[in-house]
Amino acid sequence: SQQGEEDPQALSIQEGENATMNCSYKTSINNLQWYRQNSGRGLVHLILIRSNEREKHSGRLRVTLDTSKKSSSLLITASRAADTASYFCATAGNTGGFKTIFGAGTRLFVKA
Amino acid sequence: GAGVSQSPSNKVTEKGKDVELRCDPISGHTALYWYRQSLGQGLEFLIYFQGNSAPDKSGLPSDRFSAERTGGSVSTLTIQRTQQEDSAVYLCASSLNLDSGRIYEQYFGPGTRLTVT
Repeated sequence: SQQGEEDPQALSIQEGENATMNCSYKTSINNLQWYRQNSGRGLVHLILIRSNEREKHSGRLRVTLDTSKKSSSLLITASRAADTASYFCATAGNTGGFKTIFGAGTRLFVKA
Repeated sequence: GAGVSQSPSNKVTEKGKDVELRCDPISGHTALYWYRQSLGQGLEFLIYFQGNSAPDKSGLPSDRFSAERTGGSVSTLTIQRTQQEDSAVYLCASSLNLDSGRIYEQYFGPGTRLTVT
């Protein structure tokens, strides 16, 4: 069964607005990763946050992790039409090796 | 350098036939993952290989699915007696995971789109 669950399932915003996506998971993790998938470039890694970190930034991306609530959020600031894609969180467990479980994804549509 | 490559990019097969999907990971990456993605859905974990350790096969949906990784590099995912529900995009990823337990980001191939008629 999937560990990560994203919400919302779909999000439509205007260019320039911020987009926030959330991810919840069920068991303890080694790290949590966010990926983007669009038809042109396939699945691309965006950012990785380890279990002992609370916040990480990369360009217009900001990821937070709350291990007490078993949740993470991805914020994309000043969105662009090119950000239109599906965004997935993926969790790597703390036990049982390197298995990584992906959520069902949030479909983001940024209108120009 | 070269990324993860997969072949074929598209495969159409008849129900009941066997298929083999190939993945060439990034050189030096110790971990290799296989996932399946149905249309509009998330990624379903199938199997991963880490170095010389026994693979984690816990995601394989049935005994018709098997995978091997030769020489710690190229991997082949085999589906025997294909069924229509096997139709999906099969994605391979590799990662520089260390045996110390440090897990790194995954680099994905373009996928193989399998259609079972």
